[in-house]
Amino acid sequence: GDSVTQTEGLVTLTEGLPVMLNCTYQTIYSNPFLFWYVQHLNESPRLLLKSFTDNKRTEHQGFHATLHKSSSSFHLQKSSAQLSDSALYYCALSDQAGGYKVVFGSGTRLLVSP
Amino acid sequence: AQTIHQWPVAEIKAVGSPLSLGCTIKGKSSPNLYWYWQATGGTLQQLFYSITVGQVESVVQLNLSASRPKDDQFILSTEKLLLSHSGFYLCAWSGTGGASYEQYFGPGTRLTVL
Repeated sequence: GDSVTQTEGLVTLTEGLPVMLNCTYQTIYSNPFLFWYVQHLNESPRLLLKSFTDNKRTEHQGFHATLHKSSSSFHLQKSSAQLSDSALYYCALSDQAGGYKVVFGSGTRLLVSP
Repeated sequence: AQTIHQWPVAEIKAVGSPLSLGCTIKGKSSPNLYWYWQATGGTLQQLFYSITVGQVESVVQLNLSASRPKDDQFILSTEKLLLSHSGFYLCAWSGTGGASYEQYFGPGTRLTVL
């Protein structure tokens, strides 16, 4: 079945440093949709980014990601971390051919310190 | 604008007791609806999805069941709770008609089984 791998469970950064959270996926379908969701403490997850276009950069709220189907990756990046970026980040995958199933990665907790 | 409401906000239940959690969405006609479970510090596991009234698909077996009695309502239940059912239950909706199924989450219900 489909799977999403986030290799870092915890990333700690100093404010102002760049952010990169890794996400790779496996799917048998050729047209996956990839998402990044962010969940702040005691809140529900909310959509941060989404993409289904190969090699096209998508941006929102200072974060960006590019879907690379050749490497099955959708890494999340930001040029300069802010304290308010501290949260849990989930990469997720869905595919129209696969129906309405959505598979989430295990999540990466980002902690940004002053 | 769409709003999603979950009830109750929190529950403390005994092992072996029944459970019913509810979700209502307003402002969206015929949404796709989903139930998710999130263990403390864990990932999001999709449990069920429904694309129309009366039809529910199970994604993973956790001794839970779901029903969609109305277009805007989704119910999660079990007759007999297990300790492993503790966690955070999230209802979500997505658009229809070839959309990318990005998930919009409700505020969640925190369940503690003792």
